[in-house]
Amino acid sequence: GENVEQHPSTLSVQEGDSAVIKCTYSDSASNYFPWYKQELGKRPQLIIDIRSNVGEKKDQRIAVTLNKTAKHFSLHITETQPEDSAVYFCAAKASGSGNTGKLIFGQGTTLQVKP
Amino acid sequence: DAGVTQSPTHLIKTRGQQVTLRCSPKSGHDTVSWYQQALGQGPQFIFQYYEEEERQRGNFPDRFSGHQFPNYSSELNVNALLLGDSALYLCASSHRVGEQFFGPGTRLTVL
Repeated sequence: GENVEQHPSTLSVQEGDSAVIKCTYSDSASNYFPWYKQELGKRPQLIIDIRSNVGEKKDQRIAVTLNKTAKHFSLHITETQPEDSAVYFCAAKASGSGNTGKLIFGQGTTLQVKP
Repeated sequence: DAGVTQSPTHLIKTRGQQVTLRCSPKSGHDTVSWYQQALGQGPQFIFQYYEEEERQRGNFPDRFSGHQFPNYSSELNVNALLLGDSALYLCASSHRVGEQFFGPGTRLTVL
């Protein structure tokens, strides 16, 4: 069935260091891969996304890479700041006939950025 | 422009009861998806509504049902509540199968 595996489950870095979170998906029809940031008690917020026709996308300190062959995508955060501390979720979505584009989420990564 | 809104914020019910949660989508959005997020887990897809019909359903029992109104708002109903139904219920709206924006969620506690 459809599945997204996310690693690591927790990640602790020093302020200013980089953080990398990795996800692997099972459904080869997946063509859209969003990343959400969820602070404690808040809603998931979309921070960056990538489509399957692109290998990399960058937005300031955040970047996402996609390897379709390996069915693998990653989130990279550079120059981390304490306000980056949150739970990050990757997700995968398939489209096509009969598919409404439901999101399949990973299990989440708790990122702690120590000042 | 209001984003996605949900009501109520919190709800406490006892086993066997029924509950209705509500969602108003972001302006311009016509599709509503519902997700269940258990503590420490990623959101799990329940179902999606478009044009007042259930378009796709995740692996949830028939106790979970929904509805979409002509103004695109939506309700999630859960019958015969179980302790395991305790979770954060998230609504996400989109324009067709586009980017999904989440509401603040309803925290349901079943005692």
